[in-house]
Amino acid sequence: SYVLTQPPSVSVAPGKTAKITCGENNIESKSVHWYRQKPGQAPVLVMYYDSDRPSAISERISGSRSGNTATLTISRVAAGDEADYYCQVWDRSSDHVVFGGGTKLTVL
Amino acid sequence: QLQLQESGPGLVKPSETLSLTCIVSGGSIRSSAYYWGWIRQPPGKGLEWIGNLFYTGTTYYNPSLKSRVTISVDTSQNQFSLRLTSVTAADTAVYYCARREIDPGRFDYWGQGTLVTVSS
Repeated sequence: SYVLTQPPSVSVAPGKTAKITCGENNIESKSVHWYRQKPGQAPVLVMYYDSDRPSAISERISGSRSGNTATLTISRVAAGDEADYYCQVWDRSSDHVVFGGGTKLTVL
Repeated sequence: QLQLQESGPGLVKPSETLSLTCIVSGGSIRSSAYYWGWIRQPPGKGLEWIGNLFYTGTTYYNPSLKSRVTISVDTSQNQFSLRLTSVTAADTAVYYCARREIDPGRFDYWGQGTLVTVSS
C-alpha cells in the first residue's frame, strides 16, 4: 500500500493563486484525480486524469503533474473556493483506491 | 441525471453489524464501465476508501477493512449494500456511496452521505 501526501493546509489571499500538492513515490504511473469538499457536503470531482476538468468546474481550476507530484492550482481565488481538497489515485494492479489526507484551503 | 442515495440505521451498537444500502436512480447499475463503491469519512477527518463492486458481484476491498467488510449487489432493485461487522467507535463516520469509472478510477457521482454513529 502507499500514502498520498498533501499539505494539511494552504492559505491564500483573495485574488491570488493557490497550489495544492499531492505526492507519492509511485504516483508516476497512475492518474491523479481531485475532489473538493465543502462543509456538510459530499465531495465533488474537480479534476481527473491529472489535468482534465469536468465541464461544470470553473476554468480557474487546473491540474498538472511533475514526476511524483501532482498539483491542483486555483487562480484568482475567492471566498467560495474555501474547502477541503483531496487527491486520489487508483492502483491498476490491485484495483485499490487511495485518497490523500486532504488539504484545507483557507482564503484570508 | 444519475443519483445515489444511502439508507440505513444512523446508530449501531458496538460489536454489532453496520448495514447500509445505496439506491441508484437515473441509470443502470448493470454497466460494464463502472464500479460502485463505498467511502467513509470519520468526523473531522479525511476520506477512506472501503471497497468497490462490479455488477456481476466482483468485489475489491481496502486491506485494512477486508476482514470485516462485505459489499453486495441487487441488480433487480438497482442497488448495492455494505455490511461492516464487529463495529467499534472508530467506525463512526459519514458513509458515502459513489460511482467509480473502472479506468482510470475516478468517482464521478456521489451520494449525499449518511452519518452512522457507533455507540451503546
